[in-house]
Amino acid sequence: QKEVEQNSGPLSVPEGAIASLNCTYSDRGSQSFFWYRQYSGKSPELIMFIYSNGDKEDGRFTAQLNKASQYVSLLIRDSQPSDSATYLCAIHQAGTALIFGKGTTLSVSS
Amino acid sequence: DAEITQSPRHKITETGRQVTLACHQTWNHNNMFWYRQDLGHGLRLIHYSYGVQDTNKGEVSDGYSVSRSNTEDLPLTLESAASSQTSVYFCASSVGGELFFGEGSRLTVL
Repeated sequence: QKEVEQNSGPLSVPEGAIASLNCTYSDRGSQSFFWYRQYSGKSPELIMFIYSNGDKEDGRFTAQLNKASQYVSLLIRDSQPSDSATYLCAIHQAGTALIFGKGTTLSVSS
Repeated sequence: DAEITQSPRHKITETGRQVTLACHQTWNHNNMFWYRQDLGHGLRLIHYSYGVQDTNKGEVSDGYSVSRSNTEDLPLTLESAASSQTSVYFCASSVGGELFFGEGSRLTVL
């Protein structure tokens, strides 16, 4: 049984701070890792994906992957109130569908 | 623009009734998925399909069925609705690992 674990939060940060969202997974065969953002009452939307160990940056977002530790994280720099949402970590293994964690709720205060 | 649509967006039904939730995508994606989302559980995979006539069970498939007769549609059927199936249901299609979600269908079983 693949498992994806996230701290449900809420994670509260002030505007302009760095928000750090963490995710661990149990299946060492997992090949790719995704971060989705979901605003209240809306459907999830993709923020980033990462396949290789290390960091991947896209604007204010950085995804970090450590396969040895089975750990993936998302950093949001210069957090804005518009970043307040639930962030879903998802893993993918060849031949199966994406498996999601329960999500972490982020609140950015102005 | 290509899109993925779900219908109905809201439905109230009674226990024991059969319910079908429709999902239609115009991207011509082979891969389609159904997830349910409940407070405290995140997104859980119900069924998925990698092409016409292909269907696969997810982690919470009991009480649900799907059929794939064409590329565009993956209807989800609840054979005999139960109160435990009250949830928000998301359909998605994908290319690679990126999922494109519909707007969701909120189902209430009384």
